[in-house]
Amino acid sequence: DAKTTQPPSMDCAEGRAANLPCNHSTISGNEYVYWYRQIHSQGPQYIIHGLKNNETNEMASLIITEDRKSSTLILPHATLRDTAVYYCIVRGPPGGTSYGKLTFGQGTILTVHP
Amino acid sequence: NAGVTQTPKFRILKIGQSMTLQCAQDMNHNYMYWYRQDPGMGLKLIYYSVGAGITDKGEVPNGYNVSRSTTEDFPLRLELAAPSQTSVYFCASSYSKGGSSYNSPLHFGNGTRLTVT
Repeated sequence: DAKTTQPPSMDCAEGRAANLPCNHSTISGNEYVYWYRQIHSQGPQYIIHGLKNNETNEMASLIITEDRKSSTLILPHATLRDTAVYYCIVRGPPGGTSYGKLTFGQGTILTVHP
Repeated sequence: NAGVTQTPKFRILKIGQSMTLQCAQDMNHNYMYWYRQDPGMGLKLIYYSVGAGITDKGEVPNGYNVSRSTTEDFPLRLELAAPSQTSVYFCASSYSKGGSSYNSPLHFGNGTRLTVT
């Protein structure tokens, strides 16, 4: 699975958009970009994923560059409850040697300030 | 649906003791995974299973064993506990459709916090 690079920490003011970047320059054509977050050492929570098109759901938006070498997770109106570690993960398809597993890096610690 | 349920939530073991961490899911997911997370670190894959009766090693399998006799349950066995196994253990599950590229997101349990002293 392709590796990802994320900044170790970011700050954001409450009510503003939080934009979390991720580099995945070695991503393969059939690999997806997934985002998870982890709050207070709870189990990781799924946020969003995409292949090459931009995606939006009730939690966030995912912007993937045209060359797919980087992406940005956008939390449109950050709240204090969004303070967490955010993981960007490149995930292979089911089958083969990856079996759809997630390989976690260090993630980005996002702190939302009042 | 309860999702992924892990028991116990907390456990303290003495060195050399054994225990089984339980994991159950009620989503009819075929894939299941065990991860461990050491303080300040990301999650590392211990074992995974792609269906009942099929298991395989992940990145850090030493000191652990698994079995998958049913679709719902995926217990993790620690034999001869060591201080290096002090960690938080997460179980996860997902659904993958054979013969296609469909892969649902992984759903995680809330973890078992294990201390070995």
